[in-house]
This record gives sequence, C-alpha cells and structure tokens, in this order.
Amino acid sequence: AQKVTQAQTEISVVEKEDVTLDCVYETRDTTYYLFWYKQPPSGELVFLIRRNSFDEQNEISGRYSWNFQKSTSSFNFTITASQVVDSAVYFCALRGSNYKLTFGKGTLLTVNP
Amino acid sequence: GAVVSQHPSRVICKSGTSVKIECRSLDFQATTMFWYRQFPKQSLMLMATSNEGSKATYEQGVEKDKFLINHASLTLSTLTVTSAHPEDSSFYICSADMRAQISGYTFGSGTRLTVV
Repeated sequence: AQKVTQAQTEISVVEKEDVTLDCVYETRDTTYYLFWYKQPPSGELVFLIRRNSFDEQNEISGRYSWNFQKSTSSFNFTITASQVVDSAVYFCALRGSNYKLTFGKGTLLTVNP
Repeated sequence: GAVVSQHPSRVICKSGTSVKIECRSLDFQATTMFWYRQFPKQSLMLMATSNEGSKATYEQGVEKDKFLINHASLTLSTLTVTSAHPEDSSFYICSADMRAQISGYTFGSGTRLTVV
C-alpha cells in the first residue's frame, strides 16, 4: 500500500520568509513518481513538479525548490521569499506501479503581508 | 497543452435527485480518467478509475450503483451521482492519465456539489 504523510496541517508565515513543506512517503514499488500540487481557494490543482524515484537531484524553479531524499523517503518543498500569492493548500502525491495517485492530507500555507 | 474541461463548476441539487458531471478532453484522447472526491479541508480521495469502453474500477468503499461512471468515448467521461444526499456534498475532480507528459496527469477544474 502507498502512503503519503504531510505532518504539517497548517503553516503561517510573514511575507518574505522562507518556508519548507514536509512530505514523507511509503511505497513498496522500486519505481515511483512523486508530485507536488498547489490548490488555491478556487479549487483547481496546479501541477508544480514531478520527480521519479531514480532521480534524486534537487530541483530549483524560481523561488521554489525541492529536496528528494530517498534514504529518508522524503520529498520536501521550499518556498523562498514567500509571497501572499503563495497562500494555498499544497499537496504531495505519490504514483506507484498502478498509476493511481495517492495524496497526502495537504498543508495549508498562509502568507501574511 | 492538454486541457480537461469539467462541467458544471458548481451545482446545487435537491436530495433524491441525480447530478451528472462531465469531463471532456479538449485536444487529446483520454484513455484513462480518474475521479476524485474532496471533502472540505481534506485530501483528494480516489473514487474510481475509468477506461474508455470498459467498466469503471471503483475503490474500496465507493458505491458503484450510486456513483455511475461512463467513459463511452476517448474524449468524454461522466460521473453521475444518483439519489444524492446531503452527505454527498463535496468537491469532485477528474483527472486524465497523461503519463507520457511531464505532469503525468491533467486535472479538470472541479465541481462543487451541494445537496440540499
């Protein structure tokens, strides 16, 4: 069975602070994919990144960066210099061999001006 | 890029009636579509997987007679909530399997169902 744990239910920061959203996963598959999505209040899911299990390189995209540590089964997401527009629910998700996505419970990020 | 159009975005219906939600792939063929349900402030839970031309596969605990899924063509998948009850009020979202694309999936914009 697959499982994704996002231990932080809610995080509140002040604009320009850096913030890291944690994600820990469990799977028996050797090949799998990890995802991060942003869900603003409107509800649609915005794709942020996909990482496969064989690629442990960290990735940076603008103010966003991701740290994949296979040894600790973690795929953490950092927003640098947060902005009010970053306020949303962020989901980490895992896809294994059955191609189904398992989502974590999400982290509500509030960035205050 | 690949777009999945989901309608309606919001619907209010009376208890006991049925509601149909449509997901259309606009510029590609969606062989496989996933349907999720999201209760307020909760995660997305997979309800079922539909494959074009065959019966949907439902996740454990999801009533297949209540949530009817039809995937009759490569561009249209529908979810019908039959005999809706207030506890069916939720956010429903579809997702097309796009494993060849970097995103892996294309999501519809979601349908907020309120049963009164």
